[in-house]
Amino acid sequence: DGGITQSPKYLFRKEGQNVTLSCEQNLNHDAMYWYRQDPGQGLRLIYYSQIVNDFQKGDIAEGYSVSREKKESFPLTVTSAQKNPTAFYLCASSAGTAGEQYFGPGTRLTVT
Amino acid sequence: KNEVEQSPQNLTAQEGEFITINCSYSVGISALHWLQQHPGGGIVSLFMLSSGKKKHGRLIATINIQEKHSSLHITASHPRDSAVYICAVERGGADGLTFGKGTHLIIQP
Repeated sequence: DGGITQSPKYLFRKEGQNVTLSCEQNLNHDAMYWYRQDPGQGLRLIYYSQIVNDFQKGDIAEGYSVSREKKESFPLTVTSAQKNPTAFYLCASSAGTAGEQYFGPGTRLTVT
Repeated sequence: KNEVEQSPQNLTAQEGEFITINCSYSVGISALHWLQQHPGGGIVSLFMLSSGKKKHGRLIATINIQEKHSSLHITASHPRDSAVYICAVERGGADGLTFGKGTHLIIQP
């Protein structure tokens, strides 16, 4: 089945630790995205990548880092510099410009 | 002011009712998306449109580019339609979406 997978579904970390969220797609999509969702707010763009080995900061990139070494994979690292890391993180992909976005199931990160 | 505004924020209706959710935006866009999010958090794309109207089953989406407004309609609503419906706009260039806060819809049997 074609789609996007994110793992794990739930993740718990202690404050001060870096954590990496996985996102893999087998849709052969060029573009991939990371969004963050907080209660009562719309999703916000963290980072996006339009092609392998290239990525751009979104609206709330501070405290996050990404890599795009393979077309299928776009992992997100939440660093200790991120002040409020507890949130629901969604990964998405699209075929390219002005394309429908396909979303993964999300990872709920809790940092205490 | 948010670039994408949705109304209403919350909507409770009876099964069978005709539902309308509105979305207004203040920026130039290349496309507008309607998404559905279920309680588990997963998001499904319902429509992507840049002009006119699209229909899929009981769902209809319209957009008026001049007025910067879109509506999502659900005909013959059913409890399984209960979800959060999210409007998002694309400015072009595969640089991500800008989202509204969502409309929480509950359809009671």
